[in-house]
Amino acid sequence: QSALTQPPSASGSPGQSVTISCTGTSSDVGGYNFVSWYQQHPGKAPNLIIYAVFKRPSGVPDRFSGSKSGNTASLTVSGLQAEDEADYYCSSYADTNKLVFGGGTKLTVL
Amino acid sequence: QVQLQESGPGLVKSSETLSLTCTVSGYFISSGHYWGWIRQPPGRGLEWIGTIHHSETTHYNSSLKSRVTISVDTSKNQFSLKLTSVTATDTAVYYCARHFCGGTNCPFDYWGQGTLVTVSS
Repeated sequence: QSALTQPPSASGSPGQSVTISCTGTSSDVGGYNFVSWYQQHPGKAPNLIIYAVFKRPSGVPDRFSGSKSGNTASLTVSGLQAEDEADYYCSSYADTNKLVFGGGTKLTVL
Repeated sequence: QVQLQESGPGLVKSSETLSLTCTVSGYFISSGHYWGWIRQPPGRGLEWIGTIHHSETTHYNSSLKSRVTISVDTSKNQFSLKLTSVTATDTAVYYCARHFCGGTNCPFDYWGQGTLVTVSS
């Protein structure tokens, strides 16, 4: 049960788009459509922004979108805004009845 | 509105047992959903610890399973975490959270504010 692999950092200018990857294995990301993404601002609890690969909870802007190809899931943030600067974590269901998180990506809005 | 609140000692001595409780308000644990514990060492990423259902079905992180016990008390609308034989590497902010549907395949939709537990030597 190893952590999913995310780039430690990502950045973009306001209005631009940025994509964050999350790589696992066939036992987690590749094997199930149960990938979620969380946004975490400093000192705060994580907030769910994407679940089941691409679904958005109520209230989450459609600037946030998710996708998956093989063992890699991706989060795209379009039309970057200053408030999008935060840490982003992916998570996935894993064999058997386990849950694994990614190491996190710090998104900087330039 | 569902709310979760962690409580317990903020300082635990090395080799002793860390004990935390999560009190849920705005929803009855016995009504369903699964409930989990997650931790985050200072400046580091999230780690799932384990998950419980009111039926007392539990699922644990394999790397912590030998030291972790999660239990539920539906009469108090609480669930709890015990982590034995702690070391400095167990120093972290500990969160409790609700899975928003069936089990570990479902994400966490409601989180507590988190509580910092420091392991001292």
